[in-house]
Amino acid sequence: NFMLTQPHSVSESPGKTVTISCTRSSGSIANNYVQWYQQRPGSSPTTVIYEDNQRPSGVPDRFSGSIDSSSNSASLTISGLKTEDEADYYCQSYDSSNRVFGGGTKLTVL
Amino acid sequence: EVQLLESGGGLVQPGGSLRLSCAASGFTFTSFAMSWVRQAPGKGLEWVSAISGSGGTTYYAESVKGRFTISRDNSKNTLYLQMNSLRAEDTAVYYCAKSTYNWNLIDYWGPGTLVTVSS
Repeated sequence: NFMLTQPHSVSESPGKTVTISCTRSSGSIANNYVQWYQQRPGSSPTTVIYEDNQRPSGVPDRFSGSIDSSSNSASLTISGLKTEDEADYYCQSYDSSNRVFGGGTKLTVL
Repeated sequence: EVQLLESGGGLVQPGGSLRLSCAASGFTFTSFAMSWVRQAPGKGLEWVSAISGSGGTTYYAESVKGRFTISRDNSKNTLYLQMNSLRAEDTAVYYCAKSTYNWNLIDYWGPGTLVTVSS
């Protein structure tokens, strides 16, 4: 089984840009799509990035996703940070026999 | 508008059973795989189980294999999770989730239902 490793927490000021990484332990990050989910306190998750870098309708273009094969990682970048972006963020991917979530990253906007 | 609404959670003793339901609306239910994902208190997400649109293919996490059974009634647009031999570590909020055309990916989540396993 592979793992997805995320930083436990990140913090940044309003208006700034933050990037959250998600590193795959084995198998190529490029071989299977990565999704990103946002979970605000007390709420269920919502999808903010699908299929590596696609934004669902309704998600602002401040959110973007990317894949880096050289580091075998995916990244979620949020620009123009707003206080409403404060949440937990989870990456997720899969292989032929498992679906795996990263451990989650708590984003603090202060 | 896609809507998912879980029910059936509650307090159960270790070794007991519980059946969760998820009523779905706003999309063609039979066309999409469905899943259950859980979140223990203060912890991250764990994909528990998934089922294809026809119900013919299923997936289980190792942690629940042999104890949980996923099923669906496409005539009622409803997803189920039968949970047997429950353990304290099964305590979590259980989310119903709709997959995209790729059954390994989720696009919509329900509000969740809390299952507490305790004596």
